[in-house]
Amino acid sequence: DGGITQSPKYLFRKEGQNVTLSCEQNLNHDAMYWYRQDPGQGLRLIYYSQIVNDFQKGDIAEGYSVSREKKESFPLTVTSAQKNPTAFYLCSSTKAGTSGGTYNEQFFGPGTRLTVL
Amino acid sequence: AQSVSQHNHHVILSEAASLELGCNYSYGGTVNLFWYVQYPGQHLQLLLKYFSGDPLVKGIKGFEAEFIKSKFSFNLRKPSVQWSDTAEYFCAVNRAGSSYKLIFGSGTRLLVRP
Repeated sequence: DGGITQSPKYLFRKEGQNVTLSCEQNLNHDAMYWYRQDPGQGLRLIYYSQIVNDFQKGDIAEGYSVSREKKESFPLTVTSAQKNPTAFYLCSSTKAGTSGGTYNEQFFGPGTRLTVL
Repeated sequence: AQSVSQHNHHVILSEAASLELGCNYSYGGTVNLFWYVQYPGQHLQLLLKYFSGDPLVKGIKGFEAEFIKSKFSFNLRKPSVQWSDTAEYFCAVNRAGSSYKLIFGSGTRLLVRP
């Protein structure tokens, strides 16, 4: 059963701690994305990666870091530098690996809700 | 900067009422347009998409949307809503030929009363 998994579903963090959110896909997709969802603000792009070992900052990358060592995995680290980390984090992937051509649908994972205590 | 505006933040309808959710974007070039839906407790999923061709596109569950280029709009419609349509709806835009990044609107929460 192909799809995107995110873990954990709920995550609690103390101030000053770094935490890593997992995102795994078995869809053989090239590109992967991390979004942050806040009430009334829609989804905002944090980081994205079009190929292994390469990634780019999105609109709100400050306080976050990522890695893309494997095609199927794109973990997101929320660092202590992120001033307001409490949010719902969504990971997505898409088949397209290069710009141009027909756009392919982005598939989303179930999300991780991070709460800073 | 490119932006997407959804004018209605909360919409409440009775079953069988007609639905229209507004979406406007600011980018003047060629765009790909999407509507996503997030049902309570479920994944974000694609309702419909527009790349080119017929500006009236049909999606799942009886939804449709019309792309009006002159108005930079991509409004979502459904002739008769059901209680099961209660969800949050997001309009999203991608610049054609870019890196497939999506820019989302702020979302519209739809509540359908039985």
